[in-house]
Amino acid sequence: AQSVTQLDSQVPVFEEAPVELRCNYSSSVSVYLFWYVQYPNQGLQLLLKYLSGSTLVKGINGFEAEFNKSQTSFHLRKPSVHISDTAEYFCAVSGINTGGFKTIFGAGTRLFVKA
Amino acid sequence: EAGVAQSPRYKIIEKRQSVAFWCNPISGHATLYWYQQILGQGPKLLIQFQNNGVVDDSQLPKDRFSAERLKGVDSTLKIQPAKLEDSAVYLCATGDSYEQYFGPGTRLTVT
Repeated sequence: AQSVTQLDSQVPVFEEAPVELRCNYSSSVSVYLFWYVQYPNQGLQLLLKYLSGSTLVKGINGFEAEFNKSQTSFHLRKPSVHISDTAEYFCAVSGINTGGFKTIFGAGTRLFVKA
Repeated sequence: EAGVAQSPRYKIIEKRQSVAFWCNPISGHATLYWYQQILGQGPKLLIQFQNNGVVDDSQLPKDRFSAERLKGVDSTLKIQPAKLEDSAVYLCATGDSYEQYFGPGTRLTVT
């Protein structure tokens, strides 16, 4: 079974500052890792994913994440945020279990970008 | 490419009433998911279909929730009777491999 912990429920940051949203996971099987963004009154949109290969993954809107197997982390980063990045961000982990391919989402981190 | 369509977008009902949500997936996507997202939480999987067969419904409250996917395309999720704690956003997602594409969701308020 898998689990996901997003370590910060809210992250306030000033515009043009860097940001890191933290995600840790646990799993007894090999996993795939994802970050999704949710804007108000909308569904989730995929930002980036790690399936295999390079541990540094680049996504849309200037975001990137690094898979760290030893620390079981997949933190999301952006060097300079915009007001439009204000949204809820979800980390998710997928893996094969006895019941098939399952995806578990974290509780979310609300990023609030201030002018 | 058209996205995942859901209707209605908003629904308000009284407890003990019934409600149904509809999802139209991206063309060609065999896998369809229904999630429940309670305010302040991440999405929780209710049921997963592969074509028109159920892959996982372990977290579906089967005494009140039901779902079907006729002909492996559109899907409906029904709640009967609704409880106050069912107030949430119900998200439909479809996928063709490891990636999921989400619809805008249906916000249900039970009073």
